[in-house]
Amino acid sequence: DADVTQTPRNRITKTGKRIMLECSQTKGHDRMYWYRQDPGLGLRLIYYSFDVKDINKGEISDGYSVSRQAQAKFSLSLESAIPNQTALYFCATSEGLLAGVRETQYFGPGTRLLVL
Amino acid sequence: QKEVEQNSGPLSVPEGAIASLNCTYSDRVSQSFFWYRQYSGKSPELIMSIYSNGDKEDGRFTAQLNKASQYVSLLIRDSQPSDSATYLCAGGMRGGADGLTFGKGTHLIIQP
Repeated sequence: DADVTQTPRNRITKTGKRIMLECSQTKGHDRMYWYRQDPGLGLRLIYYSFDVKDINKGEISDGYSVSRQAQAKFSLSLESAIPNQTALYFCATSEGLLAGVRETQYFGPGTRLLVL
Repeated sequence: QKEVEQNSGPLSVPEGAIASLNCTYSDRVSQSFFWYRQYSGKSPELIMSIYSNGDKEDGRFTAQLNKASQYVSLLIRDSQPSDSATYLCAGGMRGGADGLTFGKGTHLIIQP
């Protein structure tokens, strides 16, 4: 079984709809991240979480919210989807070692979202 | 200057040759660096990480970091067709704990 899973893998929705993307991990990592990837723009950080009570905004958090329901689960919500949120969304996890020491991020398979 | 910059390519290299991928960065991401490989439609997978000036080798891959010049490079020796992918350079403060800043990626094509 995959260590980091994302559901759904593909989603088509309409402008104005609320949508939730879910991420689960069995790696036992404390830190979880949400990125979006757009053609020609690379990956950009949306939100990240160090634990259930510690949520932080990333570079492009406007229009998104997150929920860390448990150590293993981190959900991304689009409260009112708009077409420019069409993108490939990745969840990632890392071990949360001491700052300054390697924090390899492991990525889930991605969710491809299309907002019409 | 954008925080992490890469030439988008495509970079075409004959099979068996050395592929050289380069990345420059701004001070804000100047602590830890990572090279990820991404096949089309797939998730990024870590190839190399580097934190100190100099070279770091792992099999056919060598990462190089020069903090004075603010560049990171990845060399792939004996390039194989299976190395054809997009290579993402990423940097982060606090070892990447606060998330990574990615370049746009370089598309590498290994010609048989």
